[in-house]
Amino acid sequence: QKEVEQNSGPLSVPEGAIASLNCTYSDRVSQSFFWYRQYSGKSPELIMSIYSNGDKEDGRFTAQLNKASQYVSLLIRDSQPSDSATYLCAVNEKGGATNKLIFGTGTLLAVQP
Amino acid sequence: KAGVTQTPRYLIKTRGQQVTLSCSPISGHRSVSWYQQTPGQGLQFLFEYFSETQRNKGNFPGRFSGRQFSNSRSEMNVSTLELGDSALYLCASSGDRGYSEQYFGPGTRLTVT
Repeated sequence: QKEVEQNSGPLSVPEGAIASLNCTYSDRVSQSFFWYRQYSGKSPELIMSIYSNGDKEDGRFTAQLNKASQYVSLLIRDSQPSDSATYLCAVNEKGGATNKLIFGTGTLLAVQP
Repeated sequence: KAGVTQTPRYLIKTRGQQVTLSCSPISGHRSVSWYQQTPGQGLQFLFEYFSETQRNKGNFPGRFSGRQFSNSRSEMNVSTLELGDSALYLCASSGDRGYSEQYFGPGTRLTVT
């Protein structure tokens, strides 16, 4: 089983819709979770971090964490064509003693105008 | 605040050569992590340096090494280059805590021929 799993997509949504991206992780002691956006040919850009169970909202983005189910998700409201990118889920390894992040393979999101 | 800078941005090397990549973190950040990104393996952790000490290491051969200087700038070195070392090498800067948010530089695109 991979440590961090994401559906590779592509996930296609119409402009203005809600895009839902999901991620599961295997290490129960993980304490910090991150979502990165990566445009083609560019480096990953941090868009959300979440450390506690529940929801965390920042503008059009909402991250959701459920440690019991080992599940983290990212919702993008009012999706725009500029949101089209690969979204990477990252989990801090072993409870965060260091800054080693384990990344999923990413979900490609395509927002159709 | 200036972001993470990496030099050079692009490199072309021949098999058997060695290469040194440089990373300057965000001002005030003392942790620098290095990642390799390839289409086949995704983003993989190489190592992390904090206050000039290697704090964690990924599963890469000894040909991959790094160091950090007193001003937190970091270098990574790859010796005896192989074709499979062709990748985007990313440096990430973060604060002191082990579960800090990490901010990536633009990366160095290495091509080995």
